[in-house]
Amino acid sequence: EDKVVQSPLSLVVHEGDTVTLNCSYEVTNFRSLLWYKQEKKAPTFLFMLTSSGIEKKSGRLSSILDKKELFSILNITATQTGDSAIYLCAVGAQGGSEKLVFGKGTKLTVNP
Amino acid sequence: DSGVTQTPKHLITATGQRVTLRCSPRSGDLSVYWYQQSLDQGLQFLIQYYNGEERAKGNILERFSAQQFPDLHSELNLSSLELGDSALYFCASSAPPNYGYTFGSGTRLTVV
Repeated sequence: EDKVVQSPLSLVVHEGDTVTLNCSYEVTNFRSLLWYKQEKKAPTFLFMLTSSGIEKKSGRLSSILDKKELFSILNITATQTGDSAIYLCAVGAQGGSEKLVFGKGTKLTVNP
Repeated sequence: DSGVTQTPKHLITATGQRVTLRCSPRSGDLSVYWYQQSLDQGLQFLIQYYNGEERAKGNILERFSAQQFPDLHSELNLSSLELGDSALYFCASSAPPNYGYTFGSGTRLTVV
């Protein structure tokens, strides 16, 4: 059965800190790994990674995938209180469906 | 506004009852996915429809059913409700092969 494990489950930091969120996975016929940010309700898309070693970057957020070791990290530099959210990692497999298997998320709290 | 519309936003109902959750996908998206999010389980895939046809099924209970109509909106029917069915139900849509799908704001179901 496909599985996604995120760590840590929760994290409390101060504004300006840099954080690294981890995601490891086991999936048959890996297609892609995605990161989402969930604040109040709907998860919002951050990144999709399909190739190892290629960093995706958006402002202070960046992510990289290691397909050999089956993990991904999401880095957030110079954190702000607005970064407080649950960060979800999900994997998709090749095949007829585009369903995603989600991890339980990392709850990030950024204190002023 | 993500472009994916879910109604109602909140629903409170009694055990044993039946409810229908509705989802209108983003314009142009042919795929609709239903996910259940509870505190201890995270986001769990229920079912996917693509252009009116069922494409993939996840851990969906027999008491639950879904369909996608010719105008591409989808409904998730939950019957014989139990307390454990209380959760956030998300709909998402995508236009394959784009896997960064867009979530609606969810329906919070409370079974009392």
